[in-house]
Amino acid sequence: SAVISQKPSRDICQRGTSLTIQCQVDSQVTMMFWYRQQPGQSLTLIATANQGSEATYESGFVIDKFPISRPNLTFSTLTVSNMSPEDSSIYLCSVETGTVTDTQYFGPGTRLTVL
Amino acid sequence: QKEVEQDPGPLSVPEGAIVSLNCTYSNSAFQYFMWYRQYSRKGPELLMYTYSSGNKEDGRFTAQVDKSSKYISLFIRDSQPSDSATYLCAVGSNDYKLSFGAGTTVTVRA
Repeated sequence: SAVISQKPSRDICQRGTSLTIQCQVDSQVTMMFWYRQQPGQSLTLIATANQGSEATYESGFVIDKFPISRPNLTFSTLTVSNMSPEDSSIYLCSVETGTVTDTQYFGPGTRLTVL
Repeated sequence: QKEVEQDPGPLSVPEGAIVSLNCTYSNSAFQYFMWYRQYSRKGPELLMYTYSSGNKEDGRFTAQVDKSSKYISLFIRDSQPSDSATYLCAVGSNDYKLSFGAGTTVTVRA
C-alpha cells in the first residue's frame, strides 16, 4: 500500500479564481491519477499523471481547465482553473503501486466549494 | 449504459446482520474486481481485491465474483456500527483505468 496526503483538505473559492491541489506519496510510484467525486456519483477519472510525460486526460477534461504537474515520483499537483460553481466537488488523487495489477490507493481528498 | 451499475441503497441494518452489496458490469474484458470502503469525508480505502470467479474471504468480509453473469457482491457478516460507510465496487482490465460504481451507503444501527 501507500500513504497519500493531499493539501488543502478543503477550500472555499470565488468564481473565476484557480486552486492548486497537492498530492504527496510516501514512496516512489510511476502512475498517479486524479479523480473527481461529485455528490451521489461515482468517481470520475480526470487524468493520469506519469512522471516525465504529459498528463493523459479523459474525455470531457482538458488541460487548460485542469493543468497537472508531475515533477517527480512522489508528488503531483492538479489545478482547477477559472472555477465556476459546477467545479464544486471532491478531488482525489490515487496511485498504483504496481504490486497488484490495477489496484489503486487513494488520498483523503480535497473538498472544493466554489461560490 | 454505464460500465458498472451498483445497487444504490441506502441500506440500514441492525448490528449483527449480514450486509449484501451488489454490482453488475457490462464489459467481459474486466478481469480485476475491487471493493472500496469510504468513510464520510475520507478517501476510498481498498477493502477487497480479486481477479477470479468464486469467493474470497477476509475476516468478516466475503467478495464474490461471477464472471459468467458479470456480477460481483460483497457480504459483511456480523456487521458492526464501525462498518457504517459508503461501499464502492470497482473493476479493471489491466489498462490501469478503473471503473467505479456510484456507491452504496450502509448504516449499521447499534
